[in-house]
Amino acid sequence: GENVEQHPSTLSVQEGDSAVIKCTYSDSASNYFPWYKQELGKRPQLIIDIRSNVGEKKDQRIAVTLNKTAKHFSLHITETQPEDSAVYFCAATPNSGNTPLVFGKGTRLSVIA
Amino acid sequence: GAVVSQHPSRVICKSGTSVKIECRSLDFQATTMFWYRQFPKQSLMLMATSNEGSKATYEQGVEKDKFLINHASLTLSTLTVTSAHPEDSSFYICSARAGGAGTGELFFGEGSRLTVL
Repeated sequence: GENVEQHPSTLSVQEGDSAVIKCTYSDSASNYFPWYKQELGKRPQLIIDIRSNVGEKKDQRIAVTLNKTAKHFSLHITETQPEDSAVYFCAATPNSGNTPLVFGKGTRLSVIA
Repeated sequence: GAVVSQHPSRVICKSGTSVKIECRSLDFQATTMFWYRQFPKQSLMLMATSNEGSKATYEQGVEKDKFLINHASLTLSTLTVTSAHPEDSSFYICSARAGGAGTGELFFGEGSRLTVL
């Protein structure tokens, strides 16, 4: 089955700097890669996703890149703000039929004002 | 976006009792729902895939007789933690995919925090 590795586990950045979180996956059949933000005690919220037919996607301060050959994808947050502080999870799935998401272990991002 | 509602949000029970958690898709039909468990400061671990009208598929290491899943309709799946023990204390989250099988965003319920005394 799919295995998703995520790094780093914790990340501290100064407000205004960029943050990058990286994930690798094992199943070459995976073709959908979402990123979730989870605040303490709350449900995960989708912030951006990418499908395997594109290499990069951007939404304001958030961007995701995908390298299918290397089986890795990354989340980039620019101009970080204190409210970006949360735990971020990457995930992957073959997305065929009703396959579940397999999550990385998460990255705790702290944006220091 | 699509809405998945989960109830209760918090439950405290005594060891040995059973607890039922409900997961509803409010504005779409979900033939499949997923149940995840999240321990403090850890990731979401898939427990089982709930299939409407048929038996759930459990992940390795998850006891099907302890975590009973029923998906009796296209909008409701329930997870019953039977004979709960303190080690079952966790955050349980359900999810469902809208927009057709394999194509839509996965939406999560609010989560249910179970504390077993």
